[in-house]
Amino acid sequence: DSGVTQTPKHLITATGQRVTLRCSPRSGDLSVYWYQQSLDQGLQFLIHYYNGEERAKGNILERFSAQQFPDLHSELNLSSLELGDSALYFCASSVTTGPNTEAFFGQGTRLTVV
Amino acid sequence: GNSVTQMEGPVTLSEEAFLTINCTYTATGYPSLFWYVQYPGEGLQLLLKATKADDKGSNKGFEATYRKETTSFHLEKGSVQVSDSAVYFCALSARFGNEKLTFGTGTRLTIIP
Repeated sequence: DSGVTQTPKHLITATGQRVTLRCSPRSGDLSVYWYQQSLDQGLQFLIHYYNGEERAKGNILERFSAQQFPDLHSELNLSSLELGDSALYFCASSVTTGPNTEAFFGQGTRLTVV
Repeated sequence: GNSVTQMEGPVTLSEEAFLTINCTYTATGYPSLFWYVQYPGEGLQLLLKATKADDKGSNKGFEATYRKETTSFHLEKGSVQVSDSAVYFCALSARFGNEKLTFGTGTRLTIIP
């Protein structure tokens, strides 16, 4: 158990809908990262928050948004869902920032858009 | 931009065989290098890391050496076990201010008894 909790574990929804994925980082971790894992794109970085502030954006679509709350949990909002958004979404957390910092991953949320 | 090229899988080996999974990278500056492992139905776990040239990361019998001259970070294990069956990802983290992990495509390893 990494200590990172993601809910829900599975989500099935229809095209055009909006969903919210939740991530609770390890106790004391200030950094939260979101990644998308799909068969065709592999593991892609979406966005990074540190202590409530956005630090970096990756290949995140405009239909997607995220935030990190004062209690450090984070939510990833996906709207106007398309079939191609079906993927495994991972959250990772780390104590601080820096290229040497170990990131701990949650078990992921599997999103299926039908 | 930064990228990681990883040996294509899947790889199937017999128990106690020697394992090598190749990984090369392209990055500006001096990245940190990682191997992550993903067991079925689970998230990624850090297997080992190296933060500067010639560093050797090791864990659970796995080793990888940061080779700046060849921009490589190959994963090796002398004698694999059935429990090593998983997907292995090579990754890099480039610099302060943008510490995202850039992953390779992953290599699925299956060990048969």
